[in-house]
Amino acid sequence: DVKVTQSSRYLVKRTGEKVFLECVQDMDHENMFWYRQDPGLGLRLIYFSYDVKMKEKGDIPEGYSVSREKKERFSLILESASTNQTSMYLCASSLDRVSGNTIYFGEGSWLTVV
Amino acid sequence: GNSVTQMEGPVTLSEEAFLTINCTYTATGYPSLFWYVQYPGEGLQLLLKATKADDKGSNKGFEATYRKETTSFHLEKGSVQVSDSAVYFCALNVMNTGFQKLVFGTGTRLLVSP
Repeated sequence: DVKVTQSSRYLVKRTGEKVFLECVQDMDHENMFWYRQDPGLGLRLIYFSYDVKMKEKGDIPEGYSVSREKKERFSLILESASTNQTSMYLCASSLDRVSGNTIYFGEGSWLTVV
Repeated sequence: GNSVTQMEGPVTLSEEAFLTINCTYTATGYPSLFWYVQYPGEGLQLLLKATKADDKGSNKGFEATYRKETTSFHLEKGSVQVSDSAVYFCALNVMNTGFQKLVFGTGTRLLVSP
């Protein structure tokens, strides 16, 4: 089975702190994604990556950056956390760029910014 | 643009009742369609998918048929169980400038009582 592992399930950070959310997948997938999930808004794509050192903006990239130095690892960075970034963050991966490929999700990271 | 519209929840049913969760979409091109399920405190799991018109996806007693003429992908189950209580997300997968991208609906919460 594909496993997407998010290193932190629950985090509490202060406004202005730099926050790293780490994600690792074990199936040699090319594509990796970061979404945030908010009540009433569903899931919204922040950034995605289709190869090492490559990244593309999603629908809501403002206030976030990403890093993909190795194929299996995709990090989401909040340079200066703000309270409106309190949310659940979901990492995902998929094999390649075929439309019908399944996207696999991690269990999520709950981030609270105080 | 690309979008997914789901019926608002919560949907409240008694055990063994018939379930329908409506999903309609707007997309350019020929998307693949997915239903994901999220159990409390967990990430998203793929429930079923369909990659072309008239395909039927099925899993764990759930079914959905890709209807191009009505741009719909309604989720059905003949007899729900308490363990089916979760949030269900409809999603479409488009190739956006060559990149795979999932667009989600806002989710529908299902509550099944004994």
